[in-house]
Amino acid sequence: GENVEQHPSTLSVQEGDSAVIKCTYSDSASNYFPWYKQELGKRPQLIIDIRSNVGEKKDQRIAVTLNKTAKHFSLHITETQPEDSAVYFCAADRMDSSYKLIFGSGTRLLVRP
Amino acid sequence: NAGVTQTPKFQVLKTGQSMTLQCAQDMNHEYMSWYRQDPGMGLRLIHYSVGAGITDQGEVPNGYNVSRSTTEDFPLRLLSAAPSQTSVYFCASRSSGAYEQYFGPGTRLTVT
Repeated sequence: GENVEQHPSTLSVQEGDSAVIKCTYSDSASNYFPWYKQELGKRPQLIIDIRSNVGEKKDQRIAVTLNKTAKHFSLHITETQPEDSAVYFCAADRMDSSYKLIFGSGTRLLVRP
Repeated sequence: NAGVTQTPKFQVLKTGQSMTLQCAQDMNHEYMSWYRQDPGMGLRLIHYSVGAGITDQGEVPNGYNVSRSTTEDFPLRLLSAAPSQTSVYFCASRSSGAYEQYFGPGTRLTVT
């Protein structure tokens, strides 16, 4: 079945450094790749997404890149701040009537002041 | 709009008991789904629905039933609770014509 692998499981960076989280997916029909941030005890919140017809998308300090040939996509956070500390999840979906948004296992990001 | 709502927020069950987790959305979204999130893990898809009267299995459907009699509601039934079903359950919805998925606040379930 569909599978999304995410690495690393934990990531610790110094405030101001960059953080990169990588995901690979198995279903070649996937064409939508969102990233979610989840703070402790809260619901996942969408922070950025990318569609398969785009290679890169940026929104202020966060960016996502997609390599459809290799079936992997990455989240880049620049100039990290302590409030970026959270668990980040990648996901993949075909965006057809099957409606199966499959999540990676998550990355716990700690930004040290 | 209230968005996606879930009840209860917390629940403790004994092994073998049954219960229904409620999920409702007021955004007229066709698509709804249920996920479970175990400690330190990602969200795993239990069941989903692409419209009233249509449901299908996700990654981990065993031990759970769903039905979708209205567009607004998508209840999740635990038939005979087991300790392995201790988890946080999230309901989500999205419009068939849009990309963003909206999550409910979650239900924390403990089975003893």
